[in-house]
Amino acid sequence: QKEVEQDPGPLSVPEGAIVSLNCTYSNSAFQYFMWYRQYSRKGPELLMYTYSSGNKEDGRFTAQVDKSSKYISLFIRDSQPSDSATYLCAMNPQGGSEKLVFGKGTKLTVNP
Amino acid sequence: DTAVSQTPKYLVTQMGNDKSIKCEQNLGHDTMYWYKQDSKKFLKIMFSYNNKELIINETVPNRFSPKSPDKAHLNLHINSLELGDSAVYFCASSQKGYNEQFFGPGTRLTVL
Repeated sequence: QKEVEQDPGPLSVPEGAIVSLNCTYSNSAFQYFMWYRQYSRKGPELLMYTYSSGNKEDGRFTAQVDKSSKYISLFIRDSQPSDSATYLCAMNPQGGSEKLVFGKGTKLTVNP
Repeated sequence: DTAVSQTPKYLVTQMGNDKSIKCEQNLGHDTMYWYKQDSKKFLKIMFSYNNKELIINETVPNRFSPKSPDKAHLNLHINSLELGDSAVYFCASSQKGYNEQFFGPGTRLTVL
């Protein structure tokens, strides 16, 4: 079993939809959870970061972590065509990013 | 004032050749990384350097040799290129103890 599992999609939604992106993981030592966004032919950029379990909201984006289920989610409200990108979850067992483990990424297309 | 820059952006070469990719960051970070992203978008770490010292060396063929002349630079030399080396190579940097990694724009390597 891979350490981090993420459905690669692709996922296609109409503009304005609520999008749910998810990852599961097997290593219970993971403490820090991140979502990176990667536009086509660009490098990934950090979108959201959470520590341990709980929710974090930033504008239209909400990150959720359920450590008991080893499951993390990213919700995008009122999705826009500019949200079209690949979303990669990433996690590590300790502070600092030296041992980040990435999911495979989910490709999202938001249609106008 | 690009934070993490890579050269070249595109590299097309014949099997068996030797090539180098260069990376520079102007963020003052002390840790730099090389990642390989394959055609399925899976981002996998290859190497990590902290203050010019190799700290992560994943299972990578020894045809790949990183070199860090100083904290701001991390180069990747690849000997005897093979078809399977075709991928996008990303450089990234971070500050030790912080979770965010900053990625460069990537170098798209095609081996013919």
